Amino acid sequence: DAGVTQSPTHLIKTRGQQVTLRCSPKSGHDTVSWYQQALGQGPQFIFQYYEEEERQRGNFPDRFSGHQFPNYSSELNVNALLLGDSALYLCASSLASWDRGFSGNTIYFGEGSWLTVV
Amino acid sequence: SQQGEEDPQALSIQEGENATMNCSYKTSINNLQWYRQNSGRGLVHLILIRSNEREKHSGRLRVTLDTSKKSSSLLITASRAADTASYFCATDSAGGTSYGKLTFGQGTILTVHP
Repeated sequence: DAGVTQSPTHLIKTRGQQVTLRCSPKSGHDTVSWYQQALGQGPQFIFQYYEEEERQRGNFPDRFSGHQFPNYSSELNVNALLLGDSALYLCASSLASWDRGFSGNTIYFGEGSWLTVV
Repeated sequence: SQQGEEDPQALSIQEGENATMNCSYKTSINNLQWYRQNSGRGLVHLILIRSNEREKHSGRLRVTLDTSKKSSSLLITASRAADTASYFCATDSAGGTSYGKLTFGQGTILTVHP
């Protein structure tokens, strides 16, 4: 059973460029979230996709956008890259449950994509 | 914003000793999840504990949750050099539509010396 897979593993971009990162969720999962982890920090929630729609969003500018495809895979796009966007970008997948009586499912993470902006 | 705060920030022990890491958080939660991260790698899920649970075990791991104190602890018994990593607690806050949005602390760096 494949876990969460991400590509590419590493990439280097120049300031002002655009980048697209890709994620395939764990088999059976329908919800994908993206996190940014700066060096020495804990991951920060960017946004979450379910049923091909953005359901929740963290405190990130509109330069960060995403997409979820019918097969539940997802892309993270970052436009007009800044030096401060250099980080490890983590994709997480889970099985959604919006039942108010339910306390959530295990969330699995991929190995991440290291983005360096120069 | 940070929800969980881990303590200590760094912990150095000898192989065979136990390691205890603590996590505090601020708002009501649905669940709390502990993760391990080896340098430069992704997050490995360790344990999920729900808000109505007080203790869970998995192999050499023991997690406790005290919702009245808004705190959790992770105990690793009989530590090994391979346990050297950063450990994060992450909370999934209560609120209906917040399932699956985790808020992380800054982590505890554990070093286990052979």
